Amino acid sequence: AAGVIQSPRHLIKEKRETATLKCYPIPRHDTVYWYQQGPGQDPQFLISFYEKMQSDKGSIPDRFSAQQFSDYHSELNMSSLELGDSALYFCASSPSGNRETQYFGPGTRLLVL
Amino acid sequence: AQKITQTQPGMFVQEKEAVTLDCTYDTSDQSYGLFWYKQPSSGEMIFLIYQGSYDEQNATEGRYSLNFQKARKSANLVISASQLGDSAMYFCAMREGGSNDYKLSFGAGTTVTVRA
Repeated sequence: AAGVIQSPRHLIKEKRETATLKCYPIPRHDTVYWYQQGPGQDPQFLISFYEKMQSDKGSIPDRFSAQQFSDYHSELNMSSLELGDSALYFCASSPSGNRETQYFGPGTRLLVL
Repeated sequence: AQKITQTQPGMFVQEKEAVTLDCTYDTSDQSYGLFWYKQPSSGEMIFLIYQGSYDEQNATEGRYSLNFQKARKSANLVISASQLGDSAMYFCAMREGGSNDYKLSFGAGTTVTVRA
């Protein structure tokens, strides 16, 4: 079965650089969630989109922005990267018929040097 | 305040034995959902099981069962017949809020190590 696709899987950036993470949800899933998991920590909700509109916002820094496109894929844009942004970034998706269950992608591991 | 509490940072279990992972939660909502996810060392987050607050029966999915005690606000995960591949971090998570709020709050996780 198709799963959530995230790219890139690994990313290394310097401080103050920008990064764009991409997420392709499972086909026919219209809701996308972004989570950030720091080293040794639990995932923290950043932002979510439903039908291309932002549906909820969590602890997302102002330096980050995200959007969901017409094909339902989503991109998380991160600017002025800081060392503390080093983390595993998960995208999850759920279908409109069952928004209870979120299916996570493999994550993008970002390292800021 | 922490919404999800997992008090066991790490556990060892013998292969083929059962293990129970504790999870307590805090919410004032009547409608909420509880989840367990498995995170192997490779990092991916794998959905295991879901329990809705109005579900009267405990959820089961293969070797996984959720012991839901609503009055005590606990949602413990039971893994039966442990296998070496069960070694991983396990997160308990909760969805609370209204019909448009589906974000998850996670506990700190429990690391399970299965010994042969």
